[in-house]
Amino acid sequence: SAVISQKPSRDICQRGTSLTIQCQVDSQVTMMFWYRQQPGQSLTLIATANQGSEATYESGFVIDKFPISRPNLTFSTLTVSNMSPEDSSIYLCSVDVAQTHYGYTFGSGTRLTVV
Amino acid sequence: GENVEQHPSTLSVQEGDSAVIKCTYSDSASNYFPWYKQELGKRPQLIIDIRSNVGEKKDQRIAVTLNKTAKHFSLHITETQPEDSAVYFCAASGSYQLTFGKGTKLSVIP
Repeated sequence: SAVISQKPSRDICQRGTSLTIQCQVDSQVTMMFWYRQQPGQSLTLIATANQGSEATYESGFVIDKFPISRPNLTFSTLTVSNMSPEDSSIYLCSVDVAQTHYGYTFGSGTRLTVV
Repeated sequence: GENVEQHPSTLSVQEGDSAVIKCTYSDSASNYFPWYKQELGKRPQLIIDIRSNVGEKKDQRIAVTLNKTAKHFSLHITETQPEDSAVYFCAASGSYQLTFGKGTKLSVIP
């Protein structure tokens, strides 16, 4: 199976600043997904990132707050902008490595704490 | 959009007993139902999945059943072991996106 590398693994940030999270896959994938997992909660899809087009955001998430880049078929970034303590969460990227459109594998996650 | 309900939220079983987690979904167009296991501080790991053209699937001690008519699916773990202790998430998908249930914290008591 493909290897997904996500970094940073954790960070503590000051409110009002921004953090960019990187996700690198060792094989080409059509779609990459960004999820948020708040403490003790389930996974919520933030957006779907396709190479060569703008990301598609889910309800409650906007591009100004969570800009996403997808420069090629193996890499994506998610930026958490103008952070507040409410943004403290685990952020995970996910890809469909089997190209089956269903078999999603997750990166190791980024644990973000905003102080 | 899709809505996935998962029960129970917590489950404690004695080692060796069986555990059952149930999920219901709302969108009849959903056709893929994976289950993920998440240990503390780790990423979710896919443990088993089922597609809508199949009613049951087994992999050693775990099995998943699907009732399309009733729109519910279940995870069955037999002969539970302490290492089965984790949070389990069900999910449903009819397109390229997964909608997750809220999770079940399974504790296996030695």
